[in-house]
This record gives sequence, structure tokens and C-alpha cells, in this order.
Amino acid sequence: AQSVTQLGSHVSVSEGALVLLRCNYSSSVPPYLFWYVQYPNQGLQLLLKYTSAATLVKGINGFEAEFKKSETSFHLTKPSAHMSDAAEYFCAVKKYSSASKIIFGSGTRLSIRP
Amino acid sequence: KAGVTQTPRYLIKTRGQQVTLSCSPISGHRSVSWYQQTPGQGLQFLFEYFSETQRNKGNFPGRFSGRQFSNSRSEMNVSTLELGDSALYLCASSLDPSSQSSYEQYFGPGTRLTVT
Repeated sequence: AQSVTQLGSHVSVSEGALVLLRCNYSSSVPPYLFWYVQYPNQGLQLLLKYTSAATLVKGINGFEAEFKKSETSFHLTKPSAHMSDAAEYFCAVKKYSSASKIIFGSGTRLSIRP
Repeated sequence: KAGVTQTPRYLIKTRGQQVTLSCSPISGHRSVSWYQQTPGQGLQFLFEYFSETQRNKGNFPGRFSGRQFSNSRSEMNVSTLELGDSALYLCASSLDPSSQSSYEQYFGPGTRLTVT
């Protein structure tokens, strides 16, 4: 069975500081991995995805994530936080199959201090 | 290209009633998935429809049902509403789930259902 674990339900960083949101996955087969962002009262927006090509994936808004098979991790980073990055972030996994079912982590709320 | 649209955006119902939520996918997308989001349980997969057929179903009671029309629009129905059904219901569409390398799900803004 597949699952994702997000370490830290709430992360707070200063504006301009490094953002690091942690995600570990569990999958018996090579997975597809995603990071989504959700702003208040909105749906989810795809930040980036890993689909077994390059292990370092660049996404929108300056975010990137590195797939590390040995550590079963897919942590999300951004070198310099901006106030507009304050939101809920979800790591998700999808099995390599024709089904669309995505399993989401519990989410990490990112707060940015001025 | 218009995004995924969901109607209504907000809904208030009382226990025992039933509700129907609607989702219009991005033009050309044939797969529609539904998710329930609550503070306690997070994001949970409800079901997926592709070409008018349910292809996958999550672990929800039979009170939750859905369908997809020939134009790919989808509806979700919840009968005999319970207080615990209060949630944000999100719909997502994708071009073709079998297209692995380019797979992406696009989410709508959701329908906020409150059951009193």
C-alpha cells in the first residue's frame, strides 16, 4: 500500500529564509510524487511532480524537490521564503497505473514571519 | 482554457437531507476524481470516473455516489446527510490517467458543504 508522511504539521520561517517541508513516501512500486499548495478557501494547485525522469524537480514559484530513493523522501525546498508562500502544502503519491487515485499526506501549514 | 469549475461553492443542508454537487472538468479531460477534505481526516479519495464509468472507489459508505455524463461533467450525491459529512469537496480532472509521464490532476475550488 502506498502512503506519504509529512513531518511537521506547522512550519514557520522568516521572510527570506530557507523553506524545507519534509515528505517521506511508502510504495512497493516506483511512485509518482507530487507537491500541491492550497491557499485559504481555494482548491489545490500543483507545485511540481516527479515521474521517474530527473530526480531534482523544479516547480512553480521557485520551489523544487529532490527524489531520494534510498531515503524514500521527496522534500520540498525554496531558497528564500516570501510572504505569499504562506499556505498549506500537501505531498502526494500516485501508483504507476491507469487509475487517478492520489494519496495525500496530512499537510504542512507554512507560516512566514516578517 | 477554463479551469475546473464546481457548483455550488457553498451549501448548507440539514441532517437527513441529500445533496448533489456538480463538477465540470477542463475541456478535453475525460477523468474526474472526487476528494473529501476535513480538518480531522485530511484529503481522502472518494471515487474516479473515466468515460462515464467508475474506475476506482475510496473507502466511503454507499451514501456517497457519483456519475459522469457523456460530456465528462460529473455529479456527486450524498444521501441521508450526517453532521460528519461537513467538508470541502474537491473535484479534479485529468486528461488521461494512462498517460503516465504527463499525468497531472487539476483541482477545482471545491464546494464547502455544511450539515447542521
